[in-house]
Amino acid sequence: GENVEQHPSTLSVQEGDSAVIKCTYSDSASNYFPWYKQELGKGPQLIIDIRSNVGEKKDQRIAVTLNKTAKHFSLHITETQPEDSAVYFCAASWRKLTFGTGTQLKVEL
Amino acid sequence: EPEVTQTPSHQVTQMGQEVILRCVPISNHLYFYWYRQILGQKVEFLVSFYNNEISEKSEIFDDQFSVERPDGSNFTLKIRSTKLEDSAMYFCASPVGGGTSTDTQYFGPGTRLTVL
Repeated sequence: GENVEQHPSTLSVQEGDSAVIKCTYSDSASNYFPWYKQELGKGPQLIIDIRSNVGEKKDQRIAVTLNKTAKHFSLHITETQPEDSAVYFCAASWRKLTFGTGTQLKVEL
Repeated sequence: EPEVTQTPSHQVTQMGQEVILRCVPISNHLYFYWYRQILGQKVEFLVSFYNNEISEKSEIFDDQFSVERPDGSNFTLKIRSTKLEDSAMYFCASPVGGGTSTDTQYFGPGTRLTVL
């Protein structure tokens, strides 16, 4: 089955800096790669996603890149703000979502 | 963002008891998923359900688990005889689309199950 690795497990940045979270996946059949933000006690909230026919996608301060050959994809957050602090999960999908282990992002003032 | 609702928000039960968790997916969707998240760990797939049948299930989804669609809008996850290790957050997710592999899945707020 699919296996998704995510790094780093924790990430601390200063407000205004950029944050990058990286994921790798194992199943070449996976063709959909969403990123979710999870705040304490809440359900995962979709922040951006990318499909396998696209290499990069951007939505304001958030961007995702996908390298299907290398089987890795990354989340980029620019101009980080304190409200970006949360746990971020990547996932890979072929019919069902397989999640990474999560990254605790802390944006410090 | 489309809204998925879940009840109850928190369920406390004794080991060996049956629990039923409820989900109202995005309106008119026939496809939905259940996931679970043990505290501090990643979200794990349990089961997908399409048109009143299980489409796929994980090894976690053993004989103690079942899913149903008791009426036109609600879906349920039942655990027949709860174990301590069933304590977790349970999320349902509703895909926008026809249930294909590239559908965006929207998650509900979850039910926290505590087994004592």
